Amino acid sequence: ILNVEQSPQSLHVQEGDSTNFTCSFPSSNFYALHWYRWETAKSPEALFVMTLNGDEKKKGRISATLNTKEGYSYLYIKGSQPEDSATYLCAFNAGGTSYGKLTFGQGTILTVHP
Amino acid sequence: DAGVIQSPRHEVTEMGQEVTLRCKPISGHDYLFWYRQTMMRGLELLIYFNNNVPIDDSGMPEDRFSAKMPNASFSTLKIQPSEPRDSAVYFCASSPGRTRYYTFGSGTRLTVV
Repeated sequence: ILNVEQSPQSLHVQEGDSTNFTCSFPSSNFYALHWYRWETAKSPEALFVMTLNGDEKKKGRISATLNTKEGYSYLYIKGSQPEDSATYLCAFNAGGTSYGKLTFGQGTILTVHP
Repeated sequence: DAGVIQSPRHEVTEMGQEVTLRCKPISGHDYLFWYRQTMMRGLELLIYFNNNVPIDDSGMPEDRFSAKMPNASFSTLKIQPSEPRDSAVYFCASSPGRTRYYTFGSGTRLTVV
């Protein structure tokens, strides 16, 4: 069973604050790490797919880094806005025979207060 | 593209009845996934297909669950007989490749009473 852990479980910040959260995954047999954003009553939407150690991805105010050797990824949001409120999920794609499937973490619930 | 289309959006059924959930993936996507979301377990993979062939069904809870993909544009997840503990949101997702994004459908909220 693959263990994908996210922390913190939930986070409350004020509008304008910058924030970050962590995804931990197995450091062996790594293939890819995904980040998704999931708003209430909607379906998860892809943010990033990261495959290389040291990868950094950016989309607007959101960025992510990847360390495959130690098995973690950080997601950063700069200048949080109320519309950033959502659950942020990471998902791990292992190599080998699990070539297609993603194992999701439990998510970090972000609430941005105006 | 209309995205991944799931039907129905909501399903309420009585215990013991058969339930069929449907999914139309994005055209050209070779992978199709069925996930179940519950409060206790989060998003858990039930089964996935590659080029219409089931690759890994180790997440299917028990024999009451079955999934098919008769062609590249359609998949079903069937529960027979349904039980109250099957109540959850079931998501279908598709992807064009292993390191590519998943696109999720809107989900089917299943309630078994």
